[in-house]
Amino acid sequence: AQKITQTQPGMFVQEKEAVTLDCTYDTSDPSYGLFWYKQPSSGEMIFLIYQGSYDQQNATEGRYSLNFQKARKSANLVISASQLGDSAMYFCAMRGSGGSYIPTFGRGTSLIVHP
Amino acid sequence: DVKVTQSSRYLVKRTGEKVFLECVQDMDHENMFWYRQDPGLGLRLIYFSYDVKMKEKGDIPEGYSVSREKKERFSLILESASTNQTSMYLCASSRDGSGNTIYFGEGSWLTVV
Repeated sequence: AQKITQTQPGMFVQEKEAVTLDCTYDTSDPSYGLFWYKQPSSGEMIFLIYQGSYDQQNATEGRYSLNFQKARKSANLVISASQLGDSAMYFCAMRGSGGSYIPTFGRGTSLIVHP
Repeated sequence: DVKVTQSSRYLVKRTGEKVFLECVQDMDHENMFWYRQDPGLGLRLIYFSYDVKMKEKGDIPEGYSVSREKKERFSLILESASTNQTSMYLCASSRDGSGNTIYFGEGSWLTVV
């Protein structure tokens, strides 16, 4: 079975600083994908970034990067130069292949960016 | 752009009422999902469907049923709403495969009184 663990229920960061949101996962599937989503107070889930288990390089999308450490089974999200609009819930998710394609989500981390 | 549309953003229903939550996607995705989101519990899977007329129970199916008569539409049904079903419901869709992004609707906030 797949499992995603986000150990930080809440994080605070100063505007313009970088912040790392932790995510560890567990799976026996050799092929899997890791995703991060942002959920503002409005409730919509916004896709941020994706990392495949066989990707050699860490994924980056603008100010978002994914620190993928396969041996440690971690997929931390790094947000550089935080903005006030980054304040939201952040969810880590994974999906495997074959019978484990159903997405599994962590419990989320609430990020607050201070001016 | 992929669009997943949930029919109702905010609903208030009475205990015992039958409730329908509709979800439509416009990208011909095989997979569709219904999640429930509660504070501190993250997203919990209620039901999913991998094809038309196919459905599978997720982690918390009790008190819910689903229908997928057409590929683009996946409906969640609360046969007899109860106050413990007050929650945010999220519909999602995707193509098959571990590398395919899951796209979400805007969510439906259901209050059962």
